[in-house]
Amino acid sequence: DTGVSQDPRHKITKRGQNVTFRCDPISEHNRLYWYRQTLGQGPEFLTYFQNEAQLEKSRLLSDRFSAERPKGSFSTLEIQRTEQGDSAMYLCASSEYNEQFFGPGTRLTVL
Amino acid sequence: GESVGLHLPTLSVQEGDNSIINCAYSNSASDYFIWYKQESGKGPQFIIDIRSNMDKRQGQRVTVLLNKTVKHLSLQIAATQPGDSAVYFCAENKGRDDKIIFGKGTRLHILP
Repeated sequence: DTGVSQDPRHKITKRGQNVTFRCDPISEHNRLYWYRQTLGQGPEFLTYFQNEAQLEKSRLLSDRFSAERPKGSFSTLEIQRTEQGDSAMYLCASSEYNEQFFGPGTRLTVL
Repeated sequence: GESVGLHLPTLSVQEGDNSIINCAYSNSASDYFIWYKQESGKGPQFIIDIRSNMDKRQGQRVTVLLNKTVKHLSLQIAATQPGDSAVYFCAENKGRDDKIIFGKGTRLHILP
């Protein structure tokens, strides 16, 4: 499978815990994006990387959120001190100067 | 805030008929307007896009129309099939690899 993969697919956590998600983009894609999608809504942009550089962050990305792409390949998104409002689908996408290809997402439920 | 939105939350179409999904946008500075399909439990899947200097583009069974005068975008699906059941999002960006701004989505139901 050469598509974008995300791990885990589902995560249930208690409020206040930290969680980390991983995204593996399509090989050789230099851009990697994170989006968040709540029920019934379209995805909302969070941040994106070109290679290992984080180029833009949305105001939705509070200081509890941090994303990294240390070697310009896979990326991680960490949420610290989770809140119930963080419950959503977290989508990763990658591209190489063309349309973005999305992964299946990680569904986060904060109890 | 959002600059892309859809007119209807749900659309029901008879199998074999053509489907038309509409979208209104407000940001005239976007270079690309895009349609995505999202099936349950999956990420959005690119269908087709259109550059802002075009008014029509055709793909396999799909046509996108762009009317810049009234800031309206539509997706036409020919001979709708059961596999077309999904939520369809219109979206926009300033470049194909720029961040995407999504609208709220229209759920397409296919009637047997």
